[in-house]
Amino acid sequence: DAGVTQSPTHLIKTRGQQVTLRCSPKSGHDTVSWYQQALGQGPQFIFQYYEEEERQRGNFPDRFSGHQFPNYSSELNVNALLLGDSALYLCASSLSVAADTQYFGPGTRLTVL
Amino acid sequence: AQTVTQSQPEMSVQEAETVTLSCTYDTSESNYYLFWYKQPPSRQMILVIRQEAYKQQNATENRFSVNFQKAAKSFSLKISDSQLGDTAMYFCAFMKGWGKLQFGAGTQVVVTP
Repeated sequence: DAGVTQSPTHLIKTRGQQVTLRCSPKSGHDTVSWYQQALGQGPQFIFQYYEEEERQRGNFPDRFSGHQFPNYSSELNVNALLLGDSALYLCASSLSVAADTQYFGPGTRLTVL
Repeated sequence: AQTVTQSQPEMSVQEAETVTLSCTYDTSESNYYLFWYKQPPSRQMILVIRQEAYKQQNATENRFSVNFQKAAKSFSLKISDSQLGDTAMYFCAFMKGWGKLQFGAGTQVVVTP
């Protein structure tokens, strides 16, 4: 049973660039949530996708956008990268939008120079 | 708004001993979920234990157990018979209804031989 997978593992970008991170949910899960974890801090909720729509959003600017595909996989896009966007980006999936338990992927480490 | 507070930045424990991690939260809701996640150096966020607020009984998962005090808004985690593999950052998290997890700042647990 495959767990949550994310790609790439690491990437380095420069300020002003755009980046796309990818996530495949755990088998049987249809809801994907994204979190940003800055160094030394707990994860912060970015948004959640269900039925290809953004269902909830945290306190993040519009530079952060996402997409969910019919196979439930998801992308996180960040435009006009800032140094402060450097963080570990975690994807989590759950059995449904009403499910309480989320299972996390290994994360993507983004470094903005 | 809900907040989650973990007041212990770091805890050290010897192998086979017991350690208790503290977590308090602030909410006006009566129905919610609480979680403890473990994040080892690999950075993978792993679910340790979950608790539904409407259940009086404290959750237990093998060597991990919680002390849930709803009136005091307290949710501590006890790790019994500590093992070297328990060394990790432990995060307490809150979820109202469904959707986003709100995390505390984390407690680093170091298990020594």
